[in-house]
Amino acid sequence: DAGITQSPRHKVTETGTPVTLRCHQTENHRYMYWYRQDPGHGLRLIHYSYGVKDTDKGEVSDGYSVSRSKTEDFLLTLESATSSQTSVYFCAISESWSSSYEQYFGPGTRLTVT
Amino acid sequence: GENVEQHPSTLSVQEGDSAVIKCTYSDSASNYFPWYKQELGKGPQLIIDIRSNVGEKKDQRIAVTLNKTAKHFSLHITETQPEDSAVYFCAARNNQGGKLIFGQGTELSVKP
Repeated sequence: DAGITQSPRHKVTETGTPVTLRCHQTENHRYMYWYRQDPGHGLRLIHYSYGVKDTDKGEVSDGYSVSRSKTEDFLLTLESATSSQTSVYFCAISESWSSSYEQYFGPGTRLTVT
Repeated sequence: GENVEQHPSTLSVQEGDSAVIKCTYSDSASNYFPWYKQELGKGPQLIIDIRSNVGEKKDQRIAVTLNKTAKHFSLHITETQPEDSAVYFCAARNNQGGKLIFGQGTELSVKP
């Protein structure tokens, strides 16, 4: 398995509170991604990073921000959590943007916003 | 932008039977089509992929076919086993800065 860890693995939080999810990789891959998984929607890209301090939006980025200060760490922040952000969040990594390179997924974080 | 539709959403087969999952995509520039398997409580894992210059690819009991004209691709699993039970996702992407767009997923159940 690719060296990807996510923390926490489970979290319950209240509406309006800030939440930060962490993705850590030991593969030294350049690209890192945050997805959310919801029933009937598959996996949808939230944000991605193509290098330290280089990030861009995905298809469902509203309400989320990211930061990458080191190659190995990619943080996803919900500034003020809402119930619609209850989901399972997956981090992924790849060596390149190109289709020649596989995306490897982490184990996921289950977030519940009450 | 790209849109990927996946069918069926659930599929139940007897052990030993074949299973077929189908996906259609909308962007004719898409040129890379991976399939992921997700077991309960785990992240998705790539099981096979195909590029637009190839019509079919096999890896033991699994195969993927691509019809560029019709813009659809399919996953075929033969001689299914209980350990094939999982959620399967198709995806599509192009190389012009395109993102990986996933289908909605198919929950496959293989009954012994």
